[in-house]
Amino acid sequence: DVKVTQSSRYLVKRTGEKVFLECVQDMDHENMFWYRQDPGLGLRLIYFSYDVKMKEKGDIPEGYSVSREKKERFSLILESASTNQTSMYLCASRPRQGARYEQFFGPGTRLTVL
Amino acid sequence: QKEVEQNSGPLSVPEGAIASLNCTYSDRGSQSFFWYRQYSGKSPELIMFIYSNGDKEDGRFTAQLNKASQYVSLLIRDSQPSDSATYLCAVWSGGGADGLTFGKGTHLIIQP
Repeated sequence: DVKVTQSSRYLVKRTGEKVFLECVQDMDHENMFWYRQDPGLGLRLIYFSYDVKMKEKGDIPEGYSVSREKKERFSLILESASTNQTSMYLCASRPRQGARYEQFFGPGTRLTVL
Repeated sequence: QKEVEQNSGPLSVPEGAIASLNCTYSDRGSQSFFWYRQYSGKSPELIMFIYSNGDKEDGRFTAQLNKASQYVSLLIRDSQPSDSATYLCAVWSGGGADGLTFGKGTHLIIQP
């Protein structure tokens, strides 16, 4: 059974803290994505990676960075958490360059920044 | 900018009726189309995908694609309260991130 896992379902952090969100997939997918989802705004792409050590900015990269040291793992980093980063964070993976492949999502991390 | 548009709803449908969800997309080169269901507080899960013009049926679900009109829809027959969720339309156009472009979703409520 294919699987994307995320390190935490719920996370509470304080303003200014450095936050790490981890995502692991076991499907040997080249592409991995980080989204945040807020009511009324839908899924917004933060960063994506198409290979180890490769990363590209999505639509809303400000305040975030990412790391992909191994193919199966893609980390999202909030360098200095702020209250406007309170959100649901979703990781996803997908095979490379295929029209007929779905994106698989992890269970999500609900982050609250106080 | 690739765009996928959906009516945000809520769309309220009586139990047992047909729910019809619609989606339009801007990129004429889009090749494949996906419908995801998302329950509150959960992550999206795939319901159906379609590549060719016409209809594709899977149980109570039917996806319809009209590439000339850049329109894709999802029909849910015999709607059940458990179908109450947000439905996301997603499109693959290739290139760039090689990921799917998502609409903001339609909130569907099935009234018992």
